[in-house]
Amino acid sequence: AQSVTQLDSHVSVSEGTPVLLRCNYSSSYSPSLFWYVQHPNKGLQLLLKYTSAATLVKGINGFEAEFKKSETSFHLTKPSAHMSDAAEYFCVVSDSILQGGKLIFGQGTELSVKP
Amino acid sequence: DTEVTQTPKHLVMGMTNKKSLKCEQHMGHRAMYWYKQKAKKPPELMFVYSYEKLSINESVPSRFSPECPNSSLLNLHLHALQPEDSALYLCASSRLSYEQYFGPGTRLTVT
Repeated sequence: AQSVTQLDSHVSVSEGTPVLLRCNYSSSYSPSLFWYVQHPNKGLQLLLKYTSAATLVKGINGFEAEFKKSETSFHLTKPSAHMSDAAEYFCVVSDSILQGGKLIFGQGTELSVKP
Repeated sequence: DTEVTQTPKHLVMGMTNKKSLKCEQHMGHRAMYWYKQKAKKPPELMFVYSYEKLSINESVPSRFSPECPNSSLLNLHLHALQPEDSALYLCASSRLSYEQYFGPGTRLTVT
C-alpha cells in the first residue's frame, strides 16, 4: 500500500529565507508524486509533479522538489519565501496508472511566513 | 485552461432540505471527483466518475448522491444531511497523467 508522511505539521520562516517542506513516501512501484498548495478557504492548486522524468522538478512560484528514490523522499523547497506563500501544503502520491486513480494525501504542512 | 468551476461558493441548508452542488470543467478530462474536506485535514475522496460512469464510491452515506450528466458536468445531490456533514466540498478532474485539478470548493453549513 502506498502512503505519504509529511514530517512537519507546521513550518515557520521569515520572509526572504529558504523554505523546506519535507515529505517521505512509501510505494511498491514507481510512483507519481505531487505537491499541492491550499490558501485559506480556497481549492487546491497544483504546484508541481514528478512522473519518472527528471528527478529535479520545477513548479510554479519558484518552488521545486527533488525525487530521491534511495531516501524515498520528495521534499519541497523555495530559495526565498514570500508572504503570499503562507498556506497549507500537501504532498500527494498517486496509487494507480489508470485514469481515475486515487490520490493519497499527506496530513499537510502549514507554512507561516513572518515579515 | 486548467479551470474547474464550482457553484455555489457557500451553501447553508437545514437537515430536511434538498440541495445540489455543481461542478464543471472544459478541459476534456474524462475523470471527475468529489472530495470532502474538514478544517485542518487533507481532502477525503467521496466519489470518482470515469467516462461518465461511477467507478469509485468510498462508502459514502446515501444522503449524498452523485450524478454525471455529461463529460463536463458533475453534480452532488444532498438530502437530509447532518451537522457533521458541514465541510468544504471540492470537485476535481483529471486526464491520463494522473494530476487532478481542483475547483475552489463549496463551503457547506448544515444547521
